[in-house]
Amino acid sequence: EPEVTQTPSHQVTQMGQEVILRCVPISNHLYFYWYRQILGQKVEFLVSFYNNEISEKSEIFDDQFSVERPDGSNFTLKIRSTKLEDSAMYFCASSERAHTEAFFGQGTRLTVV
Amino acid sequence: AQSVTQLDSHVSVSEGTPVLLRCNYSSSYSPSLFWYVQHPNKGLQLLLKYTSAATLVKGINGFEAEFKKSETSFHLTKPSAHMSDAAEYFCVVIPDSWGKFQFGAGTQVVVTP
Repeated sequence: EPEVTQTPSHQVTQMGQEVILRCVPISNHLYFYWYRQILGQKVEFLVSFYNNEISEKSEIFDDQFSVERPDGSNFTLKIRSTKLEDSAMYFCASSERAHTEAFFGQGTRLTVV
Repeated sequence: AQSVTQLDSHVSVSEGTPVLLRCNYSSSYSPSLFWYVQHPNKGLQLLLKYTSAATLVKGINGFEAEFKKSETSFHLTKPSAHMSDAAEYFCVVIPDSWGKFQFGAGTQVVVTP
């Protein structure tokens, strides 16, 4: 069964460093998303991506964040100059069409120290 | 504005007894509704979805949910809980727009022998 895969599963980084979280969406999907879940809080939408550009982004997704689809398979989230409050579980998801179910990866737990 | 409310943060049930997880939504449109489950250290797995077809939706692992427009509810049920059902459950709404998921706060289910 096809699935969304994320690497790494855990990432520890020092405050101020840059991190890149990687995702391989399901191959025939066209819509890609990043969500995050701070410990003890709701899952929050960060950004959606379609046709090689950002479709929608939340207030959280400021200039510190960027997304890229560098090739035909990967979808990355870059966080520049990480802050302590960026510590969270980051989920990548993909869907075949808009307004339909998304398939989520297992998440990357980011810890900023 | 759209939102989703899960009425119980924790539910504890005995193995073999029914499970009820409550979800209410608010939406100006006809939403798409989903339930996802997250087992410890795992990703988010789709349990079932409602997308304006039958109001009673059957999902995996014996779960089902009923869409009640008059009550703006989409409660999740299972007639007989199994130990493997212990997990966190998220009610998710896509409002009638681009496709951004809105997550409920989650319900932690504990199953006791």
